[in-house]
Amino acid sequence: AQTVTQSQPEMSVQEAETVTLSCTYDTSESNYYLFWYKQPPSRQMILVIRQEAYKQQNATENRFSVNFQKAAKSFSLKISDSQLGDTAMYFCAFMKQQAAGNKLTFGGGTRVLVKP
Amino acid sequence: KAGVTQTPRYLIKTRGQQVTLSCSPISGHRSVSWYQQTPGQGLQFLFEYFSETQRNKGNFPGRFSGRQFSNSRSEMNVSTLELGDSALYLCASGQGAEGNTIYFGEGSWLTVV
Repeated sequence: AQTVTQSQPEMSVQEAETVTLSCTYDTSESNYYLFWYKQPPSRQMILVIRQEAYKQQNATENRFSVNFQKAAKSFSLKISDSQLGDTAMYFCAFMKQQAAGNKLTFGGGTRVLVKP
Repeated sequence: KAGVTQTPRYLIKTRGQQVTLSCSPISGHRSVSWYQQTPGQGLQFLFEYFSETQRNKGNFPGRFSGRQFSNSRSEMNVSTLELGDSALYLCASGQGAEGNTIYFGEGSWLTVV
């Protein structure tokens, strides 16, 4: 079974600064997908970024980028130029590449507080 | 394109009752999955349906069940409610059979008293 670990329960960052969230996972699979989701106080889960394990290039999405280290099974998220609207819970998630389904395994989450 | 729609958004039930939650996926999406979110257990996978067939099931008791209709809409049912079933239930949809980006609805808040 896959496990996803987010070792930082809470982080704070000043507006306009950069924060990096860590995520490690355990799997014996070679092909899989990794995601970061954001859950603001409204509790709506919003996709931030997606990474295919077979791609060496790190995914980026505007101010959000990842550092994917497949051998180390690490998938960190960097938020640049932090904005107040980035305040939320961030969840790292893993999905096996298989024909049998779209099942996400989530980490415990990191609460990010952006301070003005 | 409309997102994932869940109804009802909020509900309060009494122990022992049953509840049905509904989810309409994004148009064209055939995969619907359900997750339970609680402060103690975090986000846990309940089950996934694709083309009306349950493909995956999480580690939940048989009181939790679901189904998917031919139009991809899905319902989940919890019978004999317990206090511990109080949670945010999130529905998510994906377009194809595997490897999808999964999009979530706003969730249904269930409180069991």
